[in-house]
Amino acid sequence: EVQLVESGGALVQPGGSLRLSCVASGFTFSSYWMTWVRQAPGKGLEWVASTKYDGTETAYVASVKGRFTVSRDNAKNSLYLQMNSLRVEDTAVYYCARGARGSDSWGQGTLVTVSS
Amino acid sequence: DVVLTQSPLSLPVTLGQPASISCRSSQSLVHSDGNTYLNWIQQRPGQSPRRLIYKVSNRDSGVPDRFSGSGSGTDFTLEITTVEADDVAVYYCIQDIHWPYTFGQGTKLEIK
Repeated sequence: EVQLVESGGALVQPGGSLRLSCVASGFTFSSYWMTWVRQAPGKGLEWVASTKYDGTETAYVASVKGRFTVSRDNAKNSLYLQMNSLRVEDTAVYYCARGARGSDSWGQGTLVTVSS
Repeated sequence: DVVLTQSPLSLPVTLGQPASISCRSSQSLVHSDGNTYLNWIQQRPGQSPRRLIYKVSNRDSGVPDRFSGSGSGTDFTLEITTVEADDVAVYYCIQDIHWPYTFGQGTKLEIK
């Protein structure tokens, strides 16, 4: 069974940094692209970033480019999202998902709140 | 960026009746490999998203056959033949052919 467990969400001040983690199990992590998607409170879904199975290729939505970095450690079956220069509008539940094109499994999400 | 426009945004449906959600794209979602990369996502209240349909019309494992997807090019539809209480959710279309991948605004299905 595919399992994705996110962690690392917290309350952080504007301008601060946070690192999210997603631990995967139940599939061969190193064979899949992986993706972060977020959902602001009461709003819709927004694709944030994806990384190729070996980490050599990444893609970001324009609003986070230069501030967020997606990475992975295949030895630890783990996906990360380093978030710097956080803004109030980054407040959201962040989900990791297996795959990029055709993401087919999602975690339960972790809440990031950016507020002073 | 590709804009996906869903309609309606709110969909009150009587139990046992059909439902239909439209998703229109600002660009063609047909890839050079011949596939069309448009998926449908269900998000029940308080739950994580779940993929229902991929590449326009392919149902994911465990998805009831009352759900079906159709369409081509820039015009797509999710249909539910007979709505059940379990179908109360927000439904999103997502295109994953052009970076950045984008979602529709979401359609909230409720029981009338």
